[in-house]
Amino acid sequence: EDKVVQSPLSLVVHEGDTVTLNCSYEVTNFRSLLWYKQEKKAPTFLFMLTSSGIEKKSGRLSSILDKKELFSILNITATQTGDSAVYLCAVKTGATGNQFYFGTGTSLTVIP
Amino acid sequence: NAGVTQTPKFQVLKTGQSMTLQCAQDMNHNSMYWYRQDPGMGLRLIYYSASEGTTDKGEVPNGYNVSRLNKREFSLRLESAAPSQTSVYFCASSEWGGEYGYTFGSGTRLTVV
Repeated sequence: EDKVVQSPLSLVVHEGDTVTLNCSYEVTNFRSLLWYKQEKKAPTFLFMLTSSGIEKKSGRLSSILDKKELFSILNITATQTGDSAVYLCAVKTGATGNQFYFGTGTSLTVIP
Repeated sequence: NAGVTQTPKFQVLKTGQSMTLQCAQDMNHNSMYWYRQDPGMGLRLIYYSASEGTTDKGEVPNGYNVSRLNKREFSLRLESAAPSQTSVYFCASSEWGGEYGYTFGSGTRLTVV
């Protein structure tokens, strides 16, 4: 059975801290891994990763994929209160068409 | 603004009642999806439509039906609501294969009492 596991489930940090969120997966026919940020409402797209070892960056956020060890990390440096959200990892497999398997998310709270 | 529009935003149903959740996108995407999100369970796929005229079951289809009315619209119907269907429902759309991720609607919070 395909599964996506995120850790930690929740995290509380102070502004300025650096955090690392983890996503591990066991799926057949891996195609891509995506990270989303979910605040109060709909998830918004952050990154898509398909190749091992290639870092994607956007401002203070970065992410990398390890297809050998089957995981990805999302790093956030110099955290701000606006980074408080649930971060979702989703893995696309080629086995069942156009769908992703989502992890349960990591809830990040950044306190001033 | 371009995007995915869901209605209603909130709904309370009594057990056994029926309702339809509406979703429309104006990005000319081919694929559309319905997910539910429950605490501790993440997002789980109910049904999806890879293209106009096709629909397929996802991970948790029981108790639901869908209609891909045209390229823009994809509705989700609960024929006889149950308390286990209390959840937040998200509609999403994507280009073919969803390789560049989904665009999500703002969600419908459904409570079945």
